Amino acid sequence: DQQVKQNSPSLSVQEGRISILNCDYTNSMFDYFLWYKKYPAEGPTFLISISSIKDKNEDGRFTVFLNKSAKHLSLHIVPSQPGDSAVYFCAASFTQGGSEKLVFGKGTKLTVNP
Amino acid sequence: GAVVSQHPSWVICKSGTSVKIECRSLDFQATTMFWYRQFPKQSLMLMATSNEGSKATYEQGVEKDKFLINHASLTLSTLTVTSAHPEDSSFYICSAREGRGLTQETQYFGPGTRLLVL
Repeated sequence: DQQVKQNSPSLSVQEGRISILNCDYTNSMFDYFLWYKKYPAEGPTFLISISSIKDKNEDGRFTVFLNKSAKHLSLHIVPSQPGDSAVYFCAASFTQGGSEKLVFGKGTKLTVNP
Repeated sequence: GAVVSQHPSWVICKSGTSVKIECRSLDFQATTMFWYRQFPKQSLMLMATSNEGSKATYEQGVEKDKFLINHASLTLSTLTVTSAHPEDSSFYICSAREGRGLTQETQYFGPGTRLLVL
């Protein structure tokens, strides 16, 4: 079963507008959440993260919001730029057997139109 | 930033043959490397965690005798798919973690290897 869900496989927004990517999770043991960005033929690159004890983390144009009671997080990109067009993966981290592991969502393909 | 390379980037092989995929950290030492597999339109699924100089830890449902992992040095891990079958066709991606810092954020991914078994 999917412990991390990204229900929107794709999203299209206009340049300059806000992009909101959503992610839901089911496991209360997750203690850290991350967003990765992936371009074609490249590996995912870390974008921004948030600890489970916080509800917001901001880095430039990127802000991640965490609603722990709803087990929901979102990534806001504002203003959106054409170079932001990529697949965005939501990931959650937990520790098992002394090892930290990441569980990924299926990704959301963001297209920012000029 | 830290760079992780994978070789080959894609491979086509016949059923029953073995395929080796290399994962290298180019400018840092990786005490831990991870191997993931991604089927079309699915998420990256962790297959195994390998620590340099010790045996890999496999996730539930992953056959350790089929997916051999060797992490012989701090910059190289290999995944060997033994006796490959068409159902092993997938996108295999590795990541490497630096020894210090926030561990979640210091996991760097390779570009992936696409395997097609005929």
